[in-house]
Amino acid sequence: GQQLNQSPQSMFIQEGEDVSMNCTSSSIFNTWLWYKQDPGEGPVLLIALYKAGELTSNGRLTAQFGITRKDSFLNISASIPSDVGIYFCAGQLNDYKLSFGAGTTVTVRA
Amino acid sequence: EPEVTQTPSHQVTQMGQEVILRCVPISNHLYFYWYRQILGQKVEFLVSFYNNEISEKSEIFDDQFSVERPDGSNFTLKIRSTKLEDSAMYFCASRGQGGGELFFGEGSRLTVL
Repeated sequence: GQQLNQSPQSMFIQEGEDVSMNCTSSSIFNTWLWYKQDPGEGPVLLIALYKAGELTSNGRLTAQFGITRKDSFLNISASIPSDVGIYFCAGQLNDYKLSFGAGTTVTVRA
Repeated sequence: EPEVTQTPSHQVTQMGQEVILRCVPISNHLYFYWYRQILGQKVEFLVSFYNNEISEKSEIFDDQFSVERPDGSNFTLKIRSTKLEDSAMYFCASRGQGGGELFFGEGSRLTVL
């Protein structure tokens, strides 16, 4: 199946700092999605990207669908304590399967 | 807001026992999925279901696993004879027609002893 490489694996940041993470794949996707997972809960969709080159924002979050369709990044600006969690990228080629990256654990220092 | 609901939230079972995890997808959704997440690891695809049949499955989804949509609202995952390594969080997800966004339930934690 498709392998997604997500980095960094974890990060410690100061409140107010910007956060950046990315995902790369050896194969192309038609859709890139970014999810956040809080402890003991299911993944919650943050941003969905449907077109190569697309740049989309959702509040303090910005994500881009890479031109090659093999990568995507997520930025969080001016981090706050509730940004703590695990962020997963996910790529979708067809209707039937979504492949997840290994996740980036974000810890915010107050 | 419509949501995917899963039961039970936590199940403890003995190795070799059968387990059924239940999901109620969002009512007008057409694509249904099961994923699992072993503690501390990434979310892994198990199976997708569309038009009353399996549309794709991963190598994890072997003969011990089965899915069923017994009525218009429930979507179940059955593990026939559980193994220790089946201990994980199992997430159900659903998606509507024409959209890429999967909506996940809160998960069912399975512990196999």
